[in-house]
Amino acid sequence: DQQVKQNSPSLSVQEGRISILNCDYTNSMFDYFLWYKKYPAEGPTFLISISSIKDKNEDGRFTVFLNKSAKHLSLHIVPSQPGDSAVYFCAASQIQGAQKLVFGQGTRLTINP
Amino acid sequence: ETGVTQTPRHLVMGMTNKKSLKCEQHLGHNAMYWYKQSAKKPLELMFVYSLEERVENNSVPSRFSPECPNSSHLFLHLHTLQPEDSALYLCASSQGDGGGYTFGSGTRLTVV
Repeated sequence: DQQVKQNSPSLSVQEGRISILNCDYTNSMFDYFLWYKKYPAEGPTFLISISSIKDKNEDGRFTVFLNKSAKHLSLHIVPSQPGDSAVYFCAASQIQGAQKLVFGQGTRLTINP
Repeated sequence: ETGVTQTPRHLVMGMTNKKSLKCEQHLGHNAMYWYKQSAKKPLELMFVYSLEERVENNSVPSRFSPECPNSSHLFLHLHTLQPEDSALYLCASSQGDGGGYTFGSGTRLTVV
């Protein structure tokens, strides 16, 4: 039973345009959501997060939107840059004790010049 | 430098070998984790240690044996692995208070 799903394995976007990565979850107990970015041969690095008390969090070119009723979150990158090409993982957790992150399978984003 | 260091970066081992993966963090975090990343699959949580005590073991086969001697070090001891165990093994640490993880660069394991 996969609790966090990223249904698009890959996404290709033109440089300068908006990239939208989507993520769905099934566990209504999740109250904290994160996006990680991973380059080849490196570990995932934290990008942006949002708690369930918010529906939007913005950090520079990156914005995460949370729709609790739909159990859906998305990551918007605008404008997209070639250095954004990477695999993006969505993750969710409950903020209690030793946090346990549940990850999606990732979406490979390619930014074309 | 990510703050979480994993060694070795690459490991090739036979099915009868015994090897260990090492993870070290000097971030002052109190929780450490082992994840497995196989091709086209989500990151799979294997083990969670909080304050050096194992608090989670996600039905991982006994051929994988974790060890957490102190809050800065985490090991994954491997023995009699199978070819399907070939994957990227990622270590992470966190403060355990709802903040995100800091990941190491991983160990790319190939079982032959």
